[in-house]
Amino acid sequence: QVQLVQSGAEVKKPGASVKVSCKASGYTFTSYGISWVRQAPGQGLEWMGWISAYNGNTNYAQKLQGRVTMTTDTSTSTAYMELRSLRSDDTAVYYCARVDYDLIDYWGQGTLVTVSS
Amino acid sequence: NFMLTQPHSVSESPGKTVTISCTRSSGSIASNYVQWYQQRPGSSPTTVIYEDNQRPSGVPDRFSGSIDSSSNSASLTISGLKTEDEADYYCQSYDSSNHWVFGGGTKLTVL
Repeated sequence: QVQLVQSGAEVKKPGASVKVSCKASGYTFTSYGISWVRQAPGQGLEWMGWISAYNGNTNYAQKLQGRVTMTTDTSTSTAYMELRSLRSDDTAVYYCARVDYDLIDYWGQGTLVTVSS
Repeated sequence: NFMLTQPHSVSESPGKTVTISCTRSSGSIASNYVQWYQQRPGSSPTTVIYEDNQRPSGVPDRFSGSIDSSSNSASLTISGLKTEDEADYYCQSYDSSNHWVFGGGTKLTVL
């Protein structure tokens, strides 16, 4: 069965970087894209960007341009999201999700990233 | 860029029908597909509607989606409400750069 398993919770200091992984299984990794969505505590969903697992093409939210990098490792069927220059308002649960055109059909379990001095 | 505006909360009784709206602030609602996500407390979101009115496999036909160009809005309708439908619901569409735009979310209470 399709699974997206994300890395564990992280605590980072302001100005640091975080890299969250999303390991896919149960399907052909390169046949789908991966989107990243985050949710600050008690807040709504915020799209961060998308990466094609086929060719590595990316599309990032304008707000995060320059601070976020999404990559994939097809040898391990793993997607990564790195966010740099962390601020307190980056504290959120980060989700990866499998994208098939307009359909998100599977979500990861979420990774809590806490930014605190 | 545009915004998607949802009511903050709605409530309805079990067995009834509820409709959640999602109004696009500029540009036509019909110009880009609308998706709807359900998020129960403490859980990852799940998709209940994609491409305006399509249901992923496993989503009951009590869930339906539509768009209305006259009001420039999309709607999620849940009929035969069950207590398990109590959740936050988010609409989502795209801008001209294929960037996703989420609505602010609607808390559905089934009481």
